[in-house]
Amino acid sequence: KQEVTQIPAALSVPEGENLVLNCSFTDSAIYNLQWFRQDPGKGLTSLLLIQSSQREQTSGRLNASLDKSSGRSTLYIAASQPGDSATYLCAVRPQGSGGSNYKLTFGKGTLLTVNP
Amino acid sequence: EPEVTQTPSHQVTQMGQEVILRCVPISNHLYFYWYRQILGQKVEFLVSFYNNEISEKSEIFDDQFSVERPDGSNFTLKIRSTKLEDSAMYFCASRPQGGLHNEQFFGPGTRLTVL
Repeated sequence: KQEVTQIPAALSVPEGENLVLNCSFTDSAIYNLQWFRQDPGKGLTSLLLIQSSQREQTSGRLNASLDKSSGRSTLYIAASQPGDSATYLCAVRPQGSGGSNYKLTFGKGTLLTVNP
Repeated sequence: EPEVTQTPSHQVTQMGQEVILRCVPISNHLYFYWYRQILGQKVEFLVSFYNNEISEKSEIFDDQFSVERPDGSNFTLKIRSTKLEDSAMYFCASRPQGGLHNEQFFGPGTRLTVL
């Protein structure tokens, strides 16, 4: 059974700092991995999707990497801002969930606080 | 930009009552999902729905749960007899047809509180 773990559970940094969030998964048989942002009491906003054949994806100040064989992904946030404060979730789409299924398996998230 | 919408944003009910959570997926999407997140826990898959039938469900999705697409726009999750442990945030998601790497788009969620 696929398990997704995120470390650290919480992170507090001063504004302007670069930071890395970690995600690991137990079964490397995945189609892709997504990083989401969740604001308190809100829904999930997709940030980046990395296909299993890719090594990294970039969007603005965000860079996500994927090492499928070792079951790891990182989300790098450059020059952090107070508006980046949120919970960041990673989720994998396991292989075998093909066709219409496409269920995602989530980690518990990292609560990021960026202090002004 | 098109988005998934959910109503109500917060539902409070008594244990044993039936609730219906409503979702309007993005209009050209064909695959629909329900997830839930118990406070402080992971987001968990409940059920996926395509072509007017359930394509996969988790062990959480027992006989108390059902889903329906009653018309061309709504997608509903019904809980027949709510339990205290059903209290959670329920998220609807949808995705377009085809493609291994199409993203799921999530709604803002409905917070269900069972008293």
